[in-house]
Amino acid sequence: DQQVKQNSPSLSVQEGRISILNCDYTNSMFDYFLWYKKYPAEGPTFLISISSIKDKNEDGRFTVFLNKSAKHLSLHIVPSQPGDSAVYFCAASYLNQAGTALIFGKGTTLSVSS
Amino acid sequence: DAGVTQSPTHLIKTRGQQVTLRCSPKSGHDTVSWYQQALGQGPQFIFQYYEEEERQRGNFPDRFSGHQFPNYSSELNVNALLLGDSALYLCASSFGQASGGYTFGSGTRLTVV
Repeated sequence: DQQVKQNSPSLSVQEGRISILNCDYTNSMFDYFLWYKKYPAEGPTFLISISSIKDKNEDGRFTVFLNKSAKHLSLHIVPSQPGDSAVYFCAASYLNQAGTALIFGKGTTLSVSS
Repeated sequence: DAGVTQSPTHLIKTRGQQVTLRCSPKSGHDTVSWYQQALGQGPQFIFQYYEEEERQRGNFPDRFSGHQFPNYSSELNVNALLLGDSALYLCASSFGQASGGYTFGSGTRLTVV
């Protein structure tokens, strides 16, 4: 059973507009959430993260929102640029003594057209 | 500054064979995690190595094993390959238990025929 779900396989947005990527999780023990971006033939690249004690984190054009009661997070990209076209993965983790595993969603392919 | 280096980049193996994939972590990182990414799926955690020991393991059979060397580099071994093992294998390094501080390599594309 998937613990992290990205229900939209793809999203198309025009350059300059806002991109909103969504992610849901089922395990309330997750306390750290991350977004990764992946281009073809490259490994995932860390984009932005948020801990469960916050409900928003911003980094330049990227903002992540966390709604713990709904077990939902979203990534906003404003303004979207053609170079943002990639697969975006939502990931969740929980700290334990043995280490930290990332649980990934299936990804959303974002296409930004100029 | 070299990031995470994985070798080989591509590999074709026959069902039943064994394979070894290699990973050199980013400079300064001491923890290596391995992930399997099947087509159309997100990466799935296989296991993590720290101080040359397996620290945490995901839901993968014993056919998947690993090793970490004193220089922090790591190997992933898969025995008795199945067609379903065809995937992109990603190595990620980090320092200690740095949540989110993972740096991923570009992966090894394994095809089992």
